Amino acid sequence: EAGVAQSPRYKIIEKRQSVAFWCNPISGHATLYWYQQILGQGPKLLIQFQNNGVVDDSQLPKDRFSAERLKGVDSTLKIQPAKLEDSAVYLCASSFTDGRNTIYFGEGSWLTVV
Amino acid sequence: GENVEQHPSTLSVQEGDSAVIKCTYSDSASNYFPWYKQELGKRPQLIIDIRSNVGEKKDQRIAVTLNKTAKHFSLHITETQPEDSAVYFCAASIYNYGQNFVFGPGTRLSVLP
Repeated sequence: EAGVAQSPRYKIIEKRQSVAFWCNPISGHATLYWYQQILGQGPKLLIQFQNNGVVDDSQLPKDRFSAERLKGVDSTLKIQPAKLEDSAVYLCASSFTDGRNTIYFGEGSWLTVV
Repeated sequence: GENVEQHPSTLSVQEGDSAVIKCTYSDSASNYFPWYKQELGKRPQLIIDIRSNVGEKKDQRIAVTLNKTAKHFSLHITETQPEDSAVYFCAASIYNYGQNFVFGPGTRLSVLP
């Protein structure tokens, strides 16, 4: 089966610029997650969608980060304006919601803010 | 909210030896505990998981144990091989409406030939 697709894989931007990441989950997965993984740390949840609704965005820095999943399938994560500390890998993941539990990660989008 | 701690942060073992990584969690309501392996530059991939109604689970050279009373769970890798070298993450979650996973900080395992 096709995995979680993400793009772009790599992005370098200057601070105060904006960037957007795209994610297409595994077909049939209603739950979609965006995680931030800073080098040497575990993934930290930014936002979780159930279909096109937000389940948890408590750790999303809403003054600069936004995310949407308008049609309940693919999703976009935007950062504007970017700060140096936003340099990280942004991992998208998806899962079923029928108790099968397992989440599947994409390859990630590597962001460097200079 | 849930907090997951993981030890050690780095672990080096000789090929063929066993490796053990331990995690503790804070929320007694957590009921699902997966372990992910992440090779350099790659995505985290699930290697084994355990639910709160089970104390131990094994899959070939990998096993996971869970102690709900003490709120800790461990990953055991036997007969380690160089390809086991990676960063391992534990996670804890509560199944409600979807899943809400909290990951540990990771353990870098190096298997020395």
